[in-house]
Amino acid sequence: GAVVSQHPSRVICKSGTSVKIECRSLDFQATTMFWYRQFPKQSLMLMATSNEGSKATYEQGVEKDKFLINHASLTLSTLTVTSAHPEDSSFYICSATPGTGGAETQYFGPGTRLLVL
Amino acid sequence: AQSVTQPDIHITVSEGASLELRCNYSYGATPYLFWYVQSPGQGLQLLLKYFSGDTLVQGIKGFEAEFKRSQSSFNLRKPSVHWSDAAEYFCAVGGSSNTGKLIFGQGTTLQVKP
Repeated sequence: GAVVSQHPSRVICKSGTSVKIECRSLDFQATTMFWYRQFPKQSLMLMATSNEGSKATYEQGVEKDKFLINHASLTLSTLTVTSAHPEDSSFYICSATPGTGGAETQYFGPGTRLLVL
Repeated sequence: AQSVTQPDIHITVSEGASLELRCNYSYGATPYLFWYVQSPGQGLQLLLKYFSGDTLVQGIKGFEAEFKRSQSSFNLRKPSVHWSDAAEYFCAVGGSSNTGKLIFGQGTTLQVKP
């Protein structure tokens, strides 16, 4: 099946620094990518929808200036957590879907664990 | 508002026993329903989905789920659990437009006893 990778798998950073997380579709072109956040023992919360070549659409309550999303190519989307603080520590998961496919063709990355000290 | 509830946070079953994971949803229109499994270090994998038609759907790894509109439920079942089924299971609902946006339940951790 289709593979989505994320890099890094885990990152530790100091408060106030910025962290970039990459999401790549390895064997298909991803027109749409989604970014989720998962707190321990909790559900995945959709943060934003990213379409190649256009601005991301953020869910209500998600700060677009804090969580910068770039989907510059059909195989790569990046999430940058700017001026990270301890409350941003979480598990970030991306998913990608080819063409105009819906959820049945949504492939998930393994996630990136972010710890902000 | 759309929501998904998985009442059981943690379930332990013996290997070979049957399994049922509960999922209830709240959605104003016809929902698209999904079950995913999440194993450590791996991405979420789609087990099965329901869009329309037969309310009993078959998925991968021997799982099945039944959509019951009257109960707003989409419970996941497996007749005989294997040790490798130990993982986190998520129920999710998507809009009828199937744009790909998903709302997930809280997840159920399945532990399998030998």
